[in-house]
Amino acid sequence: DQQVKQNSPSLSVQEGRISILNCDYTNSMFDYFLWYKKYPAEGPTFLISISSIKDKNEDGRFTVFLNKSAKHLSLHIVPSQPGDSAVYFCAAMSGANNLFFGTGTRLTVIP
Amino acid sequence: NAGVTQTPKFQVLKTGQSMTLQCAQDMNHNSMYWYRQDPGMGLRLIYYSASEGTTDKGEVPNGYNVSRLNKREFSLRLESAAPSQTSVYFCASKNRDLLRANVLTFGAGSRLTVL
Repeated sequence: DQQVKQNSPSLSVQEGRISILNCDYTNSMFDYFLWYKKYPAEGPTFLISISSIKDKNEDGRFTVFLNKSAKHLSLHIVPSQPGDSAVYFCAAMSGANNLFFGTGTRLTVIP
Repeated sequence: NAGVTQTPKFQVLKTGQSMTLQCAQDMNHNSMYWYRQDPGMGLRLIYYSASEGTTDKGEVPNGYNVSRLNKREFSLRLESAAPSQTSVYFCASKNRDLLRANVLTFGAGSRLTVL
């Protein structure tokens, strides 16, 4: 049973506009959340994270929002750039040793 | 360059053959992990090693064995490969410093096909 869900397999956005990627989770014990970005033929690379004690974390063009009551998080990319085109994975953690990943959303930024 | 190195990058096996995927990290990380990625499934944890000398099962350990050879190296072995093990395998290690204590650094992946 998938504990972390990304219900949109793909998203297309015009360059310069905002990209919003969504993620839902079912386990209320998750206390740390991460977003990873993956290019073809490469491993996932860490993008941004948020602890459950916060509801927002920002790093340059990337902002992650956490709504614990809804068990929902989202990644905002503003402005979107063609180099942002990749697969984005949401991941959640409870305790020290396992990240549970979503199925990924393929973002295409159209020049 | 510092990071996680996996070998081989590609491998084709016949059902019943055995093979070992190798992983090494040069970042002095304590914890290492093996994940598999399948279409529509995300990444799922096979085994992990929280520190040198220890290994534990993850979500999908059946059909695999691991060895934490030393602090740098963590290998994944398929004793008798099955078509269901066709996948892309990722090795990862976990950062030690407090600011990034939950961040995993991944290798580039090993694509395995079992015929």
